[in-house]
Amino acid sequence: AQTVTQSQPEMSVQEAETVTLSCTYDTSESNYYLFWYKQPPSRQMILVIRQEAYKQQNATENRFSVNFQKAAKSFSLKISDSQLGDTAMYFCAFIRNYQLIWGAGTKLIIKP
Amino acid sequence: GAGVSQSPRYKVAKRGQDVALRCDPISGHVSLFWYQQALGQGPEFLTYFQNEAQLDKSGLPSDRFFAERPEGSVSTLKIQRTQQEDSAVYLCASSFGVRSTDTQYFGPGTRLTVL
Repeated sequence: AQTVTQSQPEMSVQEAETVTLSCTYDTSESNYYLFWYKQPPSRQMILVIRQEAYKQQNATENRFSVNFQKAAKSFSLKISDSQLGDTAMYFCAFIRNYQLIWGAGTKLIIKP
Repeated sequence: GAGVSQSPRYKVAKRGQDVALRCDPISGHVSLFWYQQALGQGPEFLTYFQNEAQLDKSGLPSDRFFAERPEGSVSTLKIQRTQQEDSAVYLCASSFGVRSTDTQYFGPGTRLTVL
């Protein structure tokens, strides 16, 4: 079975702090792509960052970076200098035959 | 358009009614996807189109669900004889090319409530 597990249903941090969201996955494929999506209360699912499994270098997009541990099948998201606008549901996902396979999400609350 | 649009944003249906949900993908995007997102959960794949061809409908939960994209652009997801368990947010996404790894861009979703 190919699954995605996000073990933190909810997290909250103060504005400007750094927060790390965890994700583990299980797949039998050797090459694959991993994603973090953000879903604000408006519901629009927005791509935050993507990682190609064959690349050892961790992806970075401005304040967002990942810690990709292929052997451990771990794909955590680090948000630096968190902002109020980062408040949202965050979903980890990987792609399999055009289908995105999603975790249950982590609700992140940034407090002023 | 600038992004994926979906209509209506909200739909309330009585059990047994038929509903039709519309998706307008990003102009020029070849691939189109439908997902179902139950409350408090991650989305689940329903179906995938490449242009007008429906290449994968393995996620459709029953034969009451039907999707089409007749001209390779706008897509409609139809649910016949709606039931309470169909209540969910229905997300549409599109991607530019035909590679499975192309980034999928999502619309705002349609929240369906079946009474």
